Amino acid sequence: NAGVTQTPKFQVLKTGQSMTLQCAQDMNHNSMYWYRQDPGMGLRLIYYSASEGTTDKGEVPNGYNVSRLNKREFSLRLESAAPSQTSVYFCASSDRDRNEKLFFGSGTQLSVL
Amino acid sequence: EDQVTQSPEALRLQEGESSSLNCSYTVSGLRGLFWYRQDPGKGPEFLFTLYSAGEEKEKERLKATLTKKESFLHITAPKPEDSATYLCAVQAPGNQFYFGTGTSLTVIP
Repeated sequence: NAGVTQTPKFQVLKTGQSMTLQCAQDMNHNSMYWYRQDPGMGLRLIYYSASEGTTDKGEVPNGYNVSRLNKREFSLRLESAAPSQTSVYFCASSDRDRNEKLFFGSGTQLSVL
Repeated sequence: EDQVTQSPEALRLQEGESSSLNCSYTVSGLRGLFWYRQDPGKGPEFLFTLYSAGEEKEKERLKATLTKKESFLHITAPKPEDSATYLCAVQAPGNQFYFGTGTSLTVIP
């Protein structure tokens, strides 16, 4: 099973450029999440989607937008990248009807110059 | 404010030397406490969920315990392959997860 698949794995942007991080899960999970991980700060929630058609802001949503395209896919868009958005981004999913543990993708390492 | 604090930040053990990692939390209405393992360059991988004080879970050399204010991850006779960063997370009402900054464990052969 593929689980949670994120693309790309690495990306370098210049300040002001835009990009979309893609995420797909094949476990039929209702909930999907985007986190960023920075040294010394732990994983912080950017946006989440409790079910298809709904999205909600997390702890650090500024500068990001999301789209829950269907039950499988949840994308994260940076409209105008800033150096402060240099981070490792993780997509995750969970099945709210079960034990709600998170399944993570392998991450996207993003550098904004 | 909901918070999760892990200690120590880093831990070096000799192979076979048992120890414990701590996760203390302040959250209203705890729905669950989760432990994850994260290897370099990879996403976190689920280990345990604990739901109520007094609960314990075991898996191979790892045992997780929970009190009303903290959780411990006990590592018995660790091996080099147990080297990783161990993350603690709490689930608050509203399905929000709050993560600690992790403990980086190195087991020396």
